[in-house]
Amino acid sequence: EPEVTQTPSHQVTQMGQEVILRCVPISNHLYFYWYRQILGQKVEFLVSFYNNEISEKSEIFDDQFSVERPDGSNFTLKIRSTKLEDSAMYFCASWTDETGELFFGEGSRLTVL
Amino acid sequence: DQQVKQNSPSLSVQEGRISILNCDYTNSMFDYFLWYKKYPAEGPTFLISISSIKDKNEDGRFTVFLNKSAKHLSLHIVPSQPGDSAVYFCAASTSGTYKYIFGTGTRLKVLA
Repeated sequence: EPEVTQTPSHQVTQMGQEVILRCVPISNHLYFYWYRQILGQKVEFLVSFYNNEISEKSEIFDDQFSVERPDGSNFTLKIRSTKLEDSAMYFCASWTDETGELFFGEGSRLTVL
Repeated sequence: DQQVKQNSPSLSVQEGRISILNCDYTNSMFDYFLWYKKYPAEGPTFLISISSIKDKNEDGRFTVFLNKSAKHLSLHIVPSQPGDSAVYFCAASTSGTYKYIFGTGTRLKVLA
């Protein structure tokens, strides 16, 4: 069964450092998303991406965040200068309008010290 | 502003009985709703969906009911099994947008 894969599964970083989280969406999907879940809180929308550009972003997705699809298969989330409050589980998801379902990856846990 | 609410943070049900998980929404533009199940340390997995043109959708043990006038949907699991123990999220979206808004989740525990 096709799946969304994410790397790394866990990253520990120092405050102020740059972090890149990587995702390989399902190959025939055209819409890509990043969500995050801070421990004990709800799953929050960060950004959606279609046709090589951001479709929509939330207020969480400020100038410290960026997304890129560098090579047609990977979909990355970069946090330029991490803060303690960026510690969360980050989920990548992809979507096709054939089924209307969002398929999520297993998540990348980011710990900012 | 919480557009999708799950007011019960947790629910315990005996094995074999019905589990009913509830979700309320405030945005009348939402027209597509999904339920996801999430185990610890895993990503959410899709369970079942319903579009606003229907009021019920059934898939095996899972049935979702939509009451548009009340802006309420519910997920019924019958019969409940211990493997159903997980956090359940409802999510909503509007046609033509690209984001799904998630509720806060309900932790279901099915007791053997």
